[in-house]
Amino acid sequence: DAKTTQPPSMDCAEGRAANLPCNHSTISGNEYVYWYRQIHSQGPQYIIHGLKNNETNEMASLIITEDRKSSTLILPHATLRDTAVYYCIVRATNNDMRFGAGTRLTVKP
Amino acid sequence: EAGVVQSPRYKIIEKKQPVAFWCNPISGHNTLYWYLQNLGQGPELLIRYENEEAVDDSQLPKDRFSAERLKGVDSTLKIQPAELGDSAVYLCASSRTSENEQFFGPGTRLTVL
Repeated sequence: DAKTTQPPSMDCAEGRAANLPCNHSTISGNEYVYWYRQIHSQGPQYIIHGLKNNETNEMASLIITEDRKSSTLILPHATLRDTAVYYCIVRATNNDMRFGAGTRLTVKP
Repeated sequence: EAGVVQSPRYKIIEKKQPVAFWCNPISGHNTLYWYLQNLGQGPELLIRYENEEAVDDSQLPKDRFSAERLKGVDSTLKIQPAELGDSAVYLCASSRTSENEQFFGPGTRLTVL
């Protein structure tokens, strides 16, 4: 299963875009990139996923490089409620998801 | 629609006691997962059910942990006997199929004294 590498923590100013990077250099051609976040004392929340093309939904945008070895999750206008741990996951071919330690994003006023 | 429901939210027991956690998935979701989350770490999969069948339980410590999903709807995870190292958050998740995104419950925080 492909592993992911994320910075342990990041800060972002409220109202600015938050760009969270993820490296997944060993990803296979049919493995999807998923992003979840976990706000304190809650279960993880699905954000977005993609295979090759960039994706956008009401929560975020996902930019995947052409070689698929890295991706960036973009929160266009971060709010204080976006403070959470963000997990980048490469979903295995058997559909299991292996969570790493994630990136702790702190949005500051 | 209602989300994944877990109970209890918190449980404190003494070591060597049994404990059980209950999960009711989102209606219509065939796949159910149990995860364990230690402090400061991401969730780790314990077991995955497709309807009532456990299709991946390779990470479940079978000497003390057991799970069931009778009738393919709600599920129970049991630990007997509990050890100090079992203190963690136990998360339940469900998805329509194993290929769809997972929806998580709030978790049960277990403290073993």
